[in-house]
Amino acid sequence: SQQGEEDPQALSIQEGENATMNCSYKTSINNLQWYRQNSGRGLVHLILIRSNEREKHSGRLRVTLDTSKKSSSLLITASRAADTASYFCATDKGQGGSEKLVFGKGTKLTVNP
Amino acid sequence: KAGVTQTPRYLIKTRGQQVTLSCSPISGHRSVSWYQQTPGQGLQFLFEYFSETQRNKGNFPGRFSGRQFSNSRSEMNVSTLELGDSALYLCASSLVAGVGYGYTFGSGTRLTVV
Repeated sequence: SQQGEEDPQALSIQEGENATMNCSYKTSINNLQWYRQNSGRGLVHLILIRSNEREKHSGRLRVTLDTSKKSSSLLITASRAADTASYFCATDKGQGGSEKLVFGKGTKLTVNP
Repeated sequence: KAGVTQTPRYLIKTRGQQVTLSCSPISGHRSVSWYQQTPGQGLQFLFEYFSETQRNKGNFPGRFSGRQFSNSRSEMNVSTLELGDSALYLCASSLVAGVGYGYTFGSGTRLTVV
């Protein structure tokens, strides 16, 4: 069962532009993570943000978390063609509070050169 | 340091057969989790092992099983394969149990059931 839901499902931008992806979830969480997946390969961990944090940065990535709205956003600034991938948010609580990573269906980002 | 290694990368099996997938975590990581990824269902949690004990299990039938060895390497087994088991199976390792830290994923095993 999906906990996080990413929006939009697909996003196409030009190199140099910023890309924003959103994630909404249903239950309370301790942390939320973002991952990247290149075409059918393994996932790469990008950022983990804890429930008591509101914003976190890592290089060109900026993640925000609004626990009152149960939502998070991932911003990639100055995008590059190499950023083309699917991006997933994952929360640390499944239904019934079980401790496991629950992924959304992802946003497919295409960065055109 | 070496990443998470999954073998084999690709596998084709016939309905009714069984299959065993292998995962070697990052050296020192004691937690191994398995996920199934399909276009329809997305990423679904299968199970987590820590120190050779199954710590958590997802909503999959009993045909899906796993184990972890003393060196933290893990295997998952699927018996009586069905067409719907065709998927990318991903293994992830973490230093500690639970989901308080980021996971490192392997490249996955692509299983096709015909």
